[in-house]
Amino acid sequence: GENVEQHPSTLSVQEGDSAVIKCTYSDSASNYFPWYKQELGKRPQLIIDIRSNVGEKKDQRIAVTLNKTAKHFSLHITETQPEDSAVYFCAARPNAGGTSYGKLTFGQGTILTVHP
Amino acid sequence: ETGVTQTPRHLVMGMTNKKSLKCEQHLGHNAMYWYKQSAKKPLELMFVYSLEERVENNSVPSRFSPECPNSSHLFLHLHTLQPEDSALYLCASSSGSHYGYTFGSGTRLTVV
Repeated sequence: GENVEQHPSTLSVQEGDSAVIKCTYSDSASNYFPWYKQELGKRPQLIIDIRSNVGEKKDQRIAVTLNKTAKHFSLHITETQPEDSAVYFCAARPNAGGTSYGKLTFGQGTILTVHP
Repeated sequence: ETGVTQTPRHLVMGMTNKKSLKCEQHLGHNAMYWYKQSAKKPLELMFVYSLEERVENNSVPSRFSPECPNSSHLFLHLHTLQPEDSALYLCASSSGSHYGYTFGSGTRLTVV
């Protein structure tokens, strides 16, 4: 089955700096890679995702890059703000093979702290 | 609230109790999931229901019993749990296989 490794486990930055979180996956058939943000005591929320036919996607201050050959993808947050502080999870989904559902395998999570 | 509602938000139960967690989605999604979130561990998939049929069961102990009576409701029945089962239990739903999940807020379970 799929295995997703995420690094670093904790990341501390100053407000205004950039933050980068990296994930690797094992199943070359994976074709969908979402990122979730989970604030303390709250549910994980999808913040950005990328599909295997795209190398990069950007949404305001966040961007995700995908290297299919190396089987890794990264989350980039620019101009960080204290409200970006949260746990971030990457995930990978193998090709669903015509099924009506998709099974995500998650990374271990990164605790991001942005200091004012 | 998101469209995926979980109740209760918090639950404390003894090892001999029987309780149920409930999840409800109003997004018209056709797949629902139970995940377990423990400290310092990745989210662990427990069960997947698609079109009300259980399609995935990741070798979860039989003390956890899921039920999906219709495409909008999902239950997790709990019986004779162990302290190591204490965790945040998250429900999620999705539309087909091409999109991400919408998560509920979770049930924080403590087994004493």
